[in-house]
Amino acid sequence: QSVLTQPPPVSGAPGQRVTISCTGSSSNIGAGFDVHWYQQLPETAPKLLIYGNTNRPSGVPDRFSASKSGTSASLAISGLQAEDEAHYYCQSYDISLSAWVFGGGTKLTVL
Amino acid sequence: QVQLVESGGGVVQPGRSLRLSCAASAFTFGHYGMHWVRQAPGKGLEWVAFISYEGSKKNYADSVKGRFTISRDNSKNTLYLEMNSLRPEDTAVYYCAKDEYYGSWTYPSDWGQGTLVTVSS
Repeated sequence: QSVLTQPPPVSGAPGQRVTISCTGSSSNIGAGFDVHWYQQLPETAPKLLIYGNTNRPSGVPDRFSASKSGTSASLAISGLQAEDEAHYYCQSYDISLSAWVFGGGTKLTVL
Repeated sequence: QVQLVESGGGVVQPGRSLRLSCAASAFTFGHYGMHWVRQAPGKGLEWVAFISYEGSKKNYADSVKGRFTISRDNSKNTLYLEMNSLRPEDTAVYYCAKDEYYGSWTYPSDWGQGTLVTVSS
């Protein structure tokens, strides 16, 4: 059971828009800790996709966007492409656990 | 381009020990905190441990506290994870990751390619 809750697998057709939620609590996201997102392509290491709730590292397409509100955060991917098929993880810090925490991950399938 | 290369993984019997290394390059290693994060086969990411830039502060996940020790040698640009009393549930790919500041806290930014640890008799 992950501290941050992400939805089960999601899917979308090429060109469509999908969103992935990340629900935390008052000891992590709700306490003001930032949310970061990672993309893990099959058989590869995770890669930073979004940092500080809304910021894209250089090289990440602007099709990827994210937001944070209250105890939750959300990742949006617009104009889906086949290469976006991957697992996506949210991450924050939990002050009660004194630990960096991850969501359970959401697998995105591009139909 | 940050480079992190893990090594030391392998097959080990339950109850035995193993030490992982992570060689860092292309950034000033001694200026950054570092993490270990693991991923069991077919599972999600689990944060394992953190060490501050100079090594004075260390944090551990409850699942490894008392069994694993994170350390670093800034003169060698290398991060370590000493794993004792290994259990089958410690079987995972272990990633090292560079820590980065944003706002009031930090997060793992750049990741290595990982090293597989299999605990089995």
